Amino acid sequence: QSVLTQPPSASGTPGQRVTISCSGSRSNIGTYTVDWYQQLPGTAPRLLIYTTNQRPSGVPDRFSGSKSGTSASLAISGLQSDDEADFYCAAWDDSLNGWVFGGGTKLTV
Amino acid sequence: EVQLVESGGGLVQPGGSLRLSCVASGFTFSNFSVSWVRQAPGKGLEWISYITSSSSFISYADSVKGRSTISRDNAKNSLYLQMNSLRVEDTAVYYCARVNIWNGYFFDWWGQGTLVTVSS
Repeated sequence: QSVLTQPPSASGTPGQRVTISCSGSRSNIGTYTVDWYQQLPGTAPRLLIYTTNQRPSGVPDRFSGSKSGTSASLAISGLQSDDEADFYCAAWDDSLNGWVFGGGTKLTV
Repeated sequence: EVQLVESGGGLVQPGGSLRLSCVASGFTFSNFSVSWVRQAPGKGLEWISYITSSSSFISYADSVKGRSTISRDNAKNSLYLQMNSLRVEDTAVYYCARVNIWNGYFFDWWGQGTLVTVSS
């Protein structure tokens, strides 16, 4: 059971907008920024969103992140078929002196 | 280009030991903290260990604490994970990941992973 809670699945049709939630607690999301990772089938994870709402170079602005209290969200607009992947949220956790991840959300387009 | 290349995985019996390595290139390894993150087959990501650039701070997840030791050799641009008393539930792909601590605390580059299988 993961410390951060994500829905196991999400889906949408091409062009739609979907959001993926990530719920935590005061010791992680409530205190620290949230990061999101995308894992395409058969590949290593890659950084998608950092510091809650920043995109690394090369990540399209269709991807955006936000946070409120102890919850965070990843929004993907203009869905494309190659967005199909697993998405993970993560944050530093004070009580563990390390990172906690969500269980992952499998996105189907 | 930043690269992280893991090695050392393989098949090991329960109770056995394994030493994973990760060789970094394309950046000044000694300036960065690094971590190990694993993923059991069909499961999600699990952070397991972290070491700062100078090895001054080290932390472990409870799942591996007391059985694993993280270390690094900045002269060799290398990160290591010594794993002892391996259990079936340690079966996973082990990734090394570079940690960015200047804009938050996140993993900005990942290796391709090395598979550890614990089975009799």
